[in-house]
Amino acid sequence: GNSVTQMEGPVTLSEEAFLTINCTYTATGYPSLFWYVQYPGEGLQLLLKATKADDKGSNKGFEATYRKETTSFHLEKGSVQVSDSAVYFCALSDLGTSYDKVIFGPGTSLSVIP
Amino acid sequence: EAQVTQNPRYLITVTGKKLTVTCSQNMNHEYMSWYRQDPGLGLRQIYYSMNVEVTDKGDVPEGYKVSRKEKRNFPLILESPSPNQTSLYFCASRLNGQAGANVLTFGAGSRLTVL
Repeated sequence: GNSVTQMEGPVTLSEEAFLTINCTYTATGYPSLFWYVQYPGEGLQLLLKATKADDKGSNKGFEATYRKETTSFHLEKGSVQVSDSAVYFCALSDLGTSYDKVIFGPGTSLSVIP
Repeated sequence: EAQVTQNPRYLITVTGKKLTVTCSQNMNHEYMSWYRQDPGLGLRQIYYSMNVEVTDKGDVPEGYKVSRKEKRNFPLILESPSPNQTSLYFCASRLNGQAGANVLTFGAGSRLTVL
């Protein structure tokens, strides 16, 4: 079945460091791909998405490119801030279901220290 | 403000004592869903509803019930809670079809502890 794999956390970075969180997926067809972010004590919220191969999603300085050849959707940010400390979830829409089920990865916890 | 509201946010209960976690959305979304979040497992879907009076099992429905009598509300019912249902629960909603574009709006979460 379809699935999402993310790098294990927690990840700890110093402020202004470069961030990469790896995400790979297994899917039939051409799913849409997402990154959701969960700030402490809150629900998940959409960070960015890409709906087809080679699309780049971007928001709040974060970017991710839909790479079909490597089945990847890695999240990057050039200079992280303390306020970026959160849990990041990679997800895909499962086209094999009748209602576009969203499948989430296990999440990667990021801590940014001053 | 467009939002999904869950209550209670925190609850400690004992094995076997029935409880209900409420979920309400004010965005006129057709689709609603419940997830549980456990360390290392990410979010797993419990139940979902495509519209009023239409509900279906997700990946981990055992021990849970839901109902969808109104479009805005989607309560999660634990008839006889057990310790393995200790978890963080999220309700989410979206529009159906292309309009929804699979972008879910989540509630703030309900942390449940079953002793």
